[in-house]
Amino acid sequence: SQQGEEDPQALSIQEGENATMNCSYKTSINNLQWYRQNSGRGLVHLILIRSNEREKHSGRLRVTLDTSKKSSSLLITASRAADTASYFCATATRYAGGTSYGKLTFGQGTILTVHP
Amino acid sequence: DGGITQSPKYLFRKEGQNVTLSCEQNLNHDAMYWYRQDPGQGLRLIYYSQIVNDFQKGDIAEGYSVSREKKESFPLTVTSAQKNPTAFYLCATRGPVEVDEQYFGPGTRLTVT
Repeated sequence: SQQGEEDPQALSIQEGENATMNCSYKTSINNLQWYRQNSGRGLVHLILIRSNEREKHSGRLRVTLDTSKKSSSLLITASRAADTASYFCATATRYAGGTSYGKLTFGQGTILTVHP
Repeated sequence: DGGITQSPKYLFRKEGQNVTLSCEQNLNHDAMYWYRQDPGQGLRLIYYSQIVNDFQKGDIAEGYSVSREKKESFPLTVTSAQKNPTAFYLCATRGPVEVDEQYFGPGTRLTVT
């Protein structure tokens, strides 16, 4: 598996339900970020969680990070049809000296479909 | 997408031709990145630049070249040496080091036949 691998690859739910996506990675990280991509568009940053944080919230988004398991999850509560998109996790690897050089490694993404 | 312009949105070229993709930003960000995205896959880093007149190869730099003569601009040239150039190309910037999130342009879809 590659750095920043998402699970499931596709998720289909009804409006109002919660959506959970998982991400696993291999190396030590400075932080882990989640991005959203609507079809044929650029990515939009959703949330960043640092390696010393365990949980973070932003509106209907909740991200958890377990560095011992090298995994993260993104929870979208009360999903809406407008949440339909691909969601990517991206890791900023920690290099010697603690820097990440700003380089991100992206997973393959989870395609979320929310039915009205 | 605001603040980062990629043009054109769609680009068609014949095999064997070099093509240059444009990326312009007005966010005053130092760092800029080029990614390639293939269908159903994540983004792979082609080149990145942390400051004007400096750039480094990413994970898949073969067959590509870049320049960074101005802070606002980071053009990517897809050369004829790139074996499978058809893809969606995304440009991104990063603000201050302590922020670390990246901002993406709308992308250019390149089709080579």
